[in-house]
Amino acid sequence: ELKVEQNPLFLSMQEGKNYTIYCNYSTTSDRLYWYRQDPGKSLESLFVLLSNGAVKQEGRLMASLDTKARLSTLHITAAVHDLSATYFCAVGPGATNKLIFGTGTLLAVQP
Amino acid sequence: EAGVTQFPSHSVIEKGQTVTLRCDPISGHDNLYWYRRVMGKEIKFLLHFVKESKQDESGMPNNRFLAERTGGTYSTLKVQPAELEDSGVYFCASSQAPRETQYFGPGTRLLVL
Repeated sequence: ELKVEQNPLFLSMQEGKNYTIYCNYSTTSDRLYWYRQDPGKSLESLFVLLSNGAVKQEGRLMASLDTKARLSTLHITAAVHDLSATYFCAVGPGATNKLIFGTGTLLAVQP
Repeated sequence: EAGVTQFPSHSVIEKGQTVTLRCDPISGHDNLYWYRRVMGKEIKFLLHFVKESKQDESGMPNNRFLAERTGGTYSTLKVQPAELEDSGVYFCASSQAPRETQYFGPGTRLLVL
């Protein structure tokens, strides 16, 4: 069964600093998603990564995928308070349509 | 364009009672998914509809859970009778086609006392 491990679970960082969230998955997959969730809100789709070496950037967030290592990273550059949220990675295994989620990373950016 | 909506936003019921959750997907999205997050655990898949048909219900925990999508529009998820371990947040998502990005609703927070 596909397992998705995300770390760290909690990340407290200062504004202006850089950090990376890691997402490892256990078996082959052809789709990896990053979502953001603010408290009490929907999960908002941030990135879809479909191929080895894929890199996508939006503002201060950059996501990458290494399918050989079964690893995706979400890099935060010069964090600002507005980035405080919970970030989830989710993997779409094989031919199925469901998503397998990581545990989520609660990011708190301190001024 | 309206996003995925869910009703109610919160529900508090006693063990043994019945609760029905509703999800309205984005208009035109044939694919509808249910997920849930139990306290402290990952978000887990429950089932997937394509229009009114159940495509995959491998995540449904037991026969106390019944999902329907009559007419292929909105969906309901009924829990009968509810147990304490059913407490959590139930998310609905929809996509235009299978394996495309799933758009999530805000969730229904269910507490079973």
